[in-house]
Amino acid sequence: GDSVTQMEGPVTLSEEAFLTINCTYTATGYPSLFWYVQYPGEGLQLLLKATKADDKGSNKGFEATYRKETTSFHLEKGSVQVSDSAVYFCALSGEGFKTIFGAGTRLFVKA
Amino acid sequence: ETGVTQSPTHLIKTRGQQVTLRCSSQSGHNTVSWYQQALGQGPQFIFQYYREEENGRGNFPPRFSGLQFPNYSSELNVNALELDDSAVYLCASRSSGPGDIQYFGAGTRLSVL
Repeated sequence: GDSVTQMEGPVTLSEEAFLTINCTYTATGYPSLFWYVQYPGEGLQLLLKATKADDKGSNKGFEATYRKETTSFHLEKGSVQVSDSAVYFCALSGEGFKTIFGAGTRLFVKA
Repeated sequence: ETGVTQSPTHLIKTRGQQVTLRCSSQSGHNTVSWYQQALGQGPQFIFQYYREEENGRGNFPPRFSGLQFPNYSSELNVNALELDDSAVYLCASRSSGPGDIQYFGAGTRLSVL
């Protein structure tokens, strides 16, 4: 069945460092791909999405490119801030209806 | 604010009891999904309702059941609670297709003792 694998955390970075969180997926067909973020004490929020191969989703300085050839959707940000500290979830939604999430990667950003 | 509200925020039950969790979808959304998020894990899909009919289910036993009402609010019912049911339960609504954005509520934290 469909699945999502993302890098284990926690990831600890200093402010202004470059961030990469790896995400790979297994799916039949052509799923839509998502990154969600969960800030401490809050619910899940959609960060960005991509619906077809080579699409780049971007929001708040974060980017991810839908790579069909490598079945990947890695999250990147050029300069992280303390306020980016959160748990990040990679997810896919296939030809069915359910969204499948990765296990999440916790990010800590130090001032 | 996502427009999706869940109640209660937190509740405590004992093993064997039954629980009902509620969700009010964002206006105009006819599809609602429920997820279970255990501590330190990603959300796991329980089931989805579209226009009051269940149209998809994950790997959860029949004691997890749901309802969607004409106003698109919904309920998640869990019978015969087990300790492993302790988790945050998330409700998400969207308007139609699988690629559409889902809007999540803040969740209900269920503790089973």
